[in-house]
Amino acid sequence: QVQLEQSGTEVKKPGASVKVSCKASGYPFTGYFMYWMRQPPGQGLEWMGLINPNGGATTYAQKFQGRVTMTRDTSISTAYMEISSLRSDDTAVYYCARHLGTGQFDFWGQGTLVIVSS
Amino acid sequence: QSALTQPPSASGSPGQSVTISCTGTSSDVGGYNYVSWYQQHPGKAPKFMIYDVSKRPSGVPDRFSGSKSGNTASLTVSGLQAEDEADYYCSSYAGSNSYVFGTGTKVTVL
Repeated sequence: QVQLEQSGTEVKKPGASVKVSCKASGYPFTGYFMYWMRQPPGQGLEWMGLINPNGGATTYAQKFQGRVTMTRDTSISTAYMEISSLRSDDTAVYYCARHLGTGQFDFWGQGTLVIVSS
Repeated sequence: QSALTQPPSASGSPGQSVTISCTGTSSDVGGYNYVSWYQQHPGKAPKFMIYDVSKRPSGVPDRFSGSKSGNTASLTVSGLQAEDEADYYCSSYAGSNSYVFGTGTKVTVL
């Protein structure tokens, strides 16, 4: 069965960076784009960007360009999302989600809480 | 990209129906038939409920249905059950592999 297992809670200081991992299992990792979304406490979902595990091409939402980097390691079926220059408003749950097709995020990771606080 | 607009809350008694709207623009909802809906229980990841405006993934009850007219999409939950109490988010393709999500609607089963 398809599973996306994310890394655990992170607490960071403003200005630091954080790297969240998303390990995929149960399907061919390179066959599907992986998207990243985030959800600040009590707020809605926000699209951040995507990576094509087959080749590593990325697309980032304009809001995050220059501050987010998405990578993957196909040998361990894992996608990564790193965000730098953290601010307090980056405090959120970060999700990876498998992109089945246009408009279809069929499996989601359990979420990783990133807390940015001095 | 601005978030799609959803009502903050909706409610209904068990067995009744509730409809949630999702309003965007011609650059997202109105421009593509790629509207999807996600259900999210507190502390859990979103669950895929509707795609391509009105299609249900395998395993989603047919009590859930979707539609679209112009720049507004809708999700209807018929025969409300206690387990349907959750937050619901719409999403639309917005071109160039990008997506926009709705502001979210909290559905309460009275």
